Amino acid sequence: DTEVTQTPKHLVMGMTNKKSLKCEQHMGHRAMYWYKQKAKKPPELMFVYSYEKLSINESVPSRFSPECPNSSLLNLHLHALQPEDSALYLCASSPSGSYNEQFFGPGTRLTVL
Amino acid sequence: DAKTTQPPSMDCAEGRAANLPCNHSTISGNEYVYWYRQIHSQGPQYIIHGLKNNETNEMASLIITEDRKSSTLILPHATLRDTAVYYCIVRDLYNFNKFYFGSGTKLNVKP
Repeated sequence: DTEVTQTPKHLVMGMTNKKSLKCEQHMGHRAMYWYKQKAKKPPELMFVYSYEKLSINESVPSRFSPECPNSSLLNLHLHALQPEDSALYLCASSPSGSYNEQFFGPGTRLTVL
Repeated sequence: DAKTTQPPSMDCAEGRAANLPCNHSTISGNEYVYWYRQIHSQGPQYIIHGLKNNETNEMASLIITEDRKSSTLILPHATLRDTAVYYCIVRDLYNFNKFYFGSGTKLNVKP
């Protein structure tokens, strides 16, 4: 299994809803990442988990809450989002190490109404 | 972190070589150059990376200038399926989890 899967593919939520995005990989990778990508812009790094511990938080608002329950799974919990949070949310994973490539999932397209 | 500069778009005829330039004039000695591409509505895909030597794999070649201030990604025989946004990224060996995408080049391969 050499892919990163993300569910759901599409999500529409209201500003008062609570929802979660899920990312899974079975490649034995010990680093996992969340990125946010607005239309026609490059992906922006949000969070990095290394060995199931949060190692980087790029000053992301607290309405985004990441969780890494085990080495294969990464969640992003969403609460009280704003319409400007609508974007493609990408998950990636990589083997531990300095220059290993990142493998990206297909993303979840989020729309906040 | 070093930043990268890429032209916003380029055209290439199908079957011809596509040469995508990237400037990274503030790159430091412990930073690698990576290239990824993103086909519309998909996740980015790794292409190639290098430190100072030229590199080649089944997808592309990477030419890095001797002073390392710029590089060129070469797709030797572009196909319509190579139409994508190509990102040049500089990655710090000692902060390797910090992965920052530049603005990218939209490559349009035309029949």
